[in-house]
Parts: sequence; C-alpha cells; structure tokens
Amino acid sequence: DTAVSQTPKYLVTQMGNDKSIKCEQNLGHDTMYWYKQDSKKFLKIMFSYNNKELIINETVPNRFSPKSPDKAHLNLHINSLELGDSAVYFCASSPGGDREKLFFGSGTQLSVL
Amino acid sequence: GNSVTQMEGPVTLSEEAFLTINCTYTATGYPSLFWYVQYPGEGLQLLLKATKADDKGSNKGFEATYRKETTSFHLEKGSVQVSDSAVYFCALSYGGATNKLIFGTGTLLAVQP
Repeated sequence: DTAVSQTPKYLVTQMGNDKSIKCEQNLGHDTMYWYKQDSKKFLKIMFSYNNKELIINETVPNRFSPKSPDKAHLNLHINSLELGDSAVYFCASSPGGDREKLFFGSGTQLSVL
Repeated sequence: GNSVTQMEGPVTLSEEAFLTINCTYTATGYPSLFWYVQYPGEGLQLLLKATKADDKGSNKGFEATYRKETTSFHLEKGSVQVSDSAVYFCALSYGGATNKLIFGTGTLLAVQP
C-alpha cells in the first residue's frame, strides 16, 4: 500500500478554472504538508497542518485553500488558475514527534494552459 | 535568510565510480541538515540527516558530514550503482515547533552500467 498517495498524478486545465488535488496518508502521522516544485526544481513549502489545524501558511495567494477533513487527509483547492500555477505539487506527512522526517507522495503535475 | 545551494546536475557516472554532490547552506543558528532522494516516479524520501556540527549521517553507503566551518554537507558514496540513479535534494530545517524544511534545487544523478 502506498503510504502517501495523491490524486490526480497529472492535471491539465485552462486558465481561470478551479481544481482540487487530494492527498491521503495511511501512516498515522499527525502532520501533513503541501510543497510546490517549480520548473527549476525549487521545492518550497506552502502549508502544513497538524491534527487538522493549520500551523504553517507561507506567502501563498489566497486562491490556494487547503482543507483537512481529518488528520489522514489534506486536500488542496485552487481557484482561478493562472499560468504561473503550473508546477509539481507534492503532499507529504510526518510523525508528530519528528517533523523533520517527511514522507512524500509522488507528486501532481499541474499544467495550466 | 536561510537557504541551501547544491551543485547543478546532471551528474553522470559509471557504475562503481566515486560520488560527491556538493551542498552548502546559509542559516542563522544551528539548523539540522538532510539529504532526501527522489527515485523516478516516486516522492522524496529521507536518505540521511545530521543534527549538529561534525555529525556524520549515513545510509545505504551514502555519507555526509555536517561542517559548520565551511557551512557544507556534501553527499558522498564510494561506489555508485545503477540503482542509485535519482534526484538528490539537500535540505535544512529550522523553526522549532513549526519546523520547516528548506530544500535545494536537487541534483540529478545518472549512473551508467
């Protein structure tokens, strides 16, 4: 079983659309994250939730809204998609006692046309 | 601010060659340092870590030593295998209770038989 799974793997959409990426972890971890990897492979944290509570919210446009219905899920909703949103989005999780050991999903490649 | 700089790839080696991937960091205080690896089609996973100066992290034949005097954490392996082909990310962690991982841009390693 995949430890951190995110769907879809690929997402191609038009500018202005709204889309969601889902993430689930079956590791029993307390903390989940969204990272964005741009075309230059630069990986930057966007959000972090601990037990459904937002603990890290980097400078991200408010078109991006994370939602954590329970501690095993952290979804990312993006409104009014723009060309610059094209990137690979990684979900990750970590045990509450060791937030430095992250387990990543395999990524969602978002292409905005 | 805090940042990580690692050598650009791709690094192409023959099997059994010696590997070095350079990583230097800028940070206030005393961060923890990490190497993560991303195999093709998978998410990143922790390879090794070091939490204080002069510590050596090691795993699967890879090693890296936390050098405070040169602010470096270079990754080395004495004899690479084809199965080591992947993207390697250097990272640092800071932030106490809301730990954040800051990643370098990744270095692609391609090992040829």
